[in-house]
Amino acid sequence: DGGITQSPKYLFRKEGQNVTLSCEQNLNHDAMYWYRQDPGQGLRLIYYSQIVNDFQKGDIAEGYSVSREKKESFPLTVTSAQKNPTAFYLCASGNQPQHFGDGTRLSIL
Amino acid sequence: ILNVEQSPQSLHVQEGDSTNFTCSFPSSNFYALHWYRWETAKSPEALFVMTLNGDEKKKGRISATLNTKEGYSYLYIKGSQPEDSATYLCASLRDKVIFGPGTSLSVIP
Repeated sequence: DGGITQSPKYLFRKEGQNVTLSCEQNLNHDAMYWYRQDPGQGLRLIYYSQIVNDFQKGDIAEGYSVSREKKESFPLTVTSAQKNPTAFYLCASGNQPQHFGDGTRLSIL
Repeated sequence: ILNVEQSPQSLHVQEGDSTNFTCSFPSSNFYALHWYRWETAKSPEALFVMTLNGDEKKKGRISATLNTKEGYSYLYIKGSQPEDSATYLCASLRDKVIFGPGTSLSVIP
């Protein structure tokens, strides 16, 4: 079945550590997105990519980095510069409409 | 309007009541307007993709209208049921997908 796979489902980060969230899609979509959701808030755009080897900052890109070396993959790295990384992270692909993964919940140890 | 806005922020209705909520979006450079339903512990799922001014879409008891000239869309739910309880997101597609903050609907049995 076609879809989007995010892993892991739960992730814990230690102080000063970088962690990488995986997002893979087999829907043949050019566009991929990363969102962050905090309790009681909507989706905030971190980074997006409309095509392989190109990506753009969203509204809250500071402390995050991405790569788009393959069409199927758009990993998100939460760096130690992100001081408040505890949140629910959603990956999506496509523009018309978007298809979402099941999310990764990141917590601080 | 520069961002995508939704109202009300939350809504509580009795089972059987009909309800509606609003999405406002920038009318310039409009390409498409999406509605999504986001149930607790699940990923957002697309309800409607709307592109033409005056468009009306319907799926069961849920329908939506679109006014691209003035930059708004309405989502209607007829005869609300407890299973309609969710957050309803709208998103505007221009050079990227931009989500509104959502309307949280609770249907009381």
